[in-house]
Amino acid sequence: SQTIHQWPATLVQPVGSPLSLECTVEGTSNPNLYWYRQAAGRGLQLLFYSVGIGQISSEVPQNLSASRPQDRQFILSSKKLLLSDSGFYLCAWSVWSQGLAPGGELFFGEGSRLTVL
Amino acid sequence: KNEVEQSPQNLTAQEGEFITINCSYSVGISALHWLQQHPGGGIVSLFMLSSGKKKHGRLIATINIQEKHSSLHITASHPRDSAVYICAIIQGAQKLVFGQGTRLTINP
Repeated sequence: SQTIHQWPATLVQPVGSPLSLECTVEGTSNPNLYWYRQAAGRGLQLLFYSVGIGQISSEVPQNLSASRPQDRQFILSSKKLLLSDSGFYLCAWSVWSQGLAPGGELFFGEGSRLTVL
Repeated sequence: KNEVEQSPQNLTAQEGEFITINCSYSVGISALHWLQQHPGGGIVSLFMLSSGKKKHGRLIATINIQEKHSSLHITASHPRDSAVYICAIIQGAQKLVFGQGTRLTINP
């Protein structure tokens, strides 16, 4: 069966420090991968998505970057964190080559709660 | 104005009550998700639907594409149904636009 792992679950970092959140998927190949952020009191927002190794699309300009060094690995990074980067980050994957076409499902990791102080 | 509006934002009910959460959107979509977010933050996809109605256990989701509206119903609600329920529309091939969520609390 397919599973998704995301870590770390909780992270407290000072402003200006780097960030690396990692997500891996097991039990499937060539998944579409997504990073979402949920700021306090706000809805989920798509940050990045990837349809293949080395292919990254960014939805919003920000202080973050994403990389996909392997088929089932998706990494969210920052060189220098800002206070506004605090939030709940979720990795997700889907199996359809059409992305989220009807009939495709979306599976989420458990999330990483980042607090920037 | 958000492209996806959910109502109510908060809902408290007694165990056994019939629950309805509404989602309205303002743009054309290919499909719509209903998601459940537990207190720890983890999210589970409940339904993806593009027309009509889907049922899974005590959960029922309906969508009216012409009216740009979807509803999530919970029959015989239980305290374990307490969670945040999120509606998300699918735009294009990759983009999900999320509602703010409805916080549901079911009291025993």
